[in-house]
Amino acid sequence: GAGVSQSPSNKVTEKGKDVELRCDPISGHTALYWYRQSLGQGLEFLIYFQGNSAPDKSGLPSDRFSAERTGGSVSTLTIQRTQQEDSAVYLCASKSLAWETQYFGPGTRLLVL
Amino acid sequence: DQQVKQNSPSLSVQEGRISILNCDYTNSMFDYFLWYKKYPAEGPTFLISISSIKDKNEDGRFTVFLNKSAKHLSLHIVPSQPGDSAVYFCAASASAGGTSYGKLTFGQGTILTVHP
Repeated sequence: GAGVSQSPSNKVTEKGKDVELRCDPISGHTALYWYRQSLGQGLEFLIYFQGNSAPDKSGLPSDRFSAERTGGSVSTLTIQRTQQEDSAVYLCASKSLAWETQYFGPGTRLLVL
Repeated sequence: DQQVKQNSPSLSVQEGRISILNCDYTNSMFDYFLWYKKYPAEGPTFLISISSIKDKNEDGRFTVFLNKSAKHLSLHIVPSQPGDSAVYFCAASASAGGTSYGKLTFGQGTILTVHP
């Protein structure tokens, strides 16, 4: 089956614009995670969805960031009023209930000018 | 407060030799550890993992060792191949604790270069 997919692969936007990043997890995976990797940094947790439970939003850096997961599958990460410091690679991962391993998508490279 | 640390930013190894990548953690609640490999412009690829109930896990050329008392884990690659050249990330998760179950905390990564 297909792995985790993300779109777009690259996004260039102007400061102050809103952006939406999409993640399609592996079919059947109940858990979905968003991370980001800023230049020269490690991967930083943003938000986590598990089934119908309330998401863990503890990693979101500001209230400009939000995420949804519709129908327990596809997720959208929205960044409002983008700032230059939001420039990073945004990575999505999914995991099945039975196993601990998270599988990552290729990421969306966001550049805010 | 970095809970997972990879103190070596880079490692250079000759083809055929052993590569040893190290990782230290501070949070005693971590009970599952993973190594990921990352090429430029790609997402991390899962390599190998280990549960805290074990001290060693082996998969082909890759072996992960866990020393819980020292809060230290290492990844051994034997023999190293030029195709192993990539950034290696160590990650940890805690199975207990509300809605944070499974969230991964990553180290900063180690760039491995294997020379032919």
